[in-house]
Amino acid sequence: GENVEQHPSTLSVQEGDSAVIKCTYSDSASNYFPWYKQELGKRPQLIIDIRSNVGEKKDQRIAVTLNKTAKHFSLHITETQPEDSAVYFCAASRPTGNQFYFGTGTSLTVIP
Amino acid sequence: NAGVMQNPRHLVRRRGQEARLRCSPMKGHSHVYWYRQLPEEGLKFMVYLQKENIIDESGMPKERFSAEFPKEGPSILRIQQVVRGDSAAYFCASSPPGTRGYEQYFGPGTRLTVT
Repeated sequence: GENVEQHPSTLSVQEGDSAVIKCTYSDSASNYFPWYKQELGKRPQLIIDIRSNVGEKKDQRIAVTLNKTAKHFSLHITETQPEDSAVYFCAASRPTGNQFYFGTGTSLTVIP
Repeated sequence: NAGVMQNPRHLVRRRGQEARLRCSPMKGHSHVYWYRQLPEEGLKFMVYLQKENIIDESGMPKERFSAEFPKEGPSILRIQQVVRGDSAAYFCASSPPGTRGYEQYFGPGTRLTVT
């Protein structure tokens, strides 16, 4: 099956700096890669996603890049703000199935 | 358009009791997924259902766990004879038809505590 690894597990940045979270996946058939943000005690919320037919996608301060050859994808948050502090999860999905395979999460702290 | 609804939000059960978790998908969504999140871990897939059908239950423990999504009413995740290791947050997600499981929207979760 698919195996998704996520790094780092914790990340602290100064407000205004950039944050980068990286994930690797094992199944080359995976073709959909969403990112979720989960605040303490709350539901995971989809913040951005990318499909395997594109290499990069951007939405304001958030961007995701995908390298299909190397089987890794990354989340980039620029100009971080304290409200960006949360746990971020990457996931991968194969076209033949509907389940998401999640990484273990990155706890991001933005220091004011 | 209300989001995915789950109830109860918190559930406490003694060992050996049954736990019933409910999930109402977003309006117009016909696909429901259940995930389990252990403390400080990622979400693990359990089961995927459409109305009256279990499509993929490869992540469900073989014993004590069952799920249904009847023609009418919410999806139910049932855990019989709960044990302490079942303590976790259980999330359901829904997606609209035709999206092949993409764009899953999560509910607020049910936090199950087994004492």
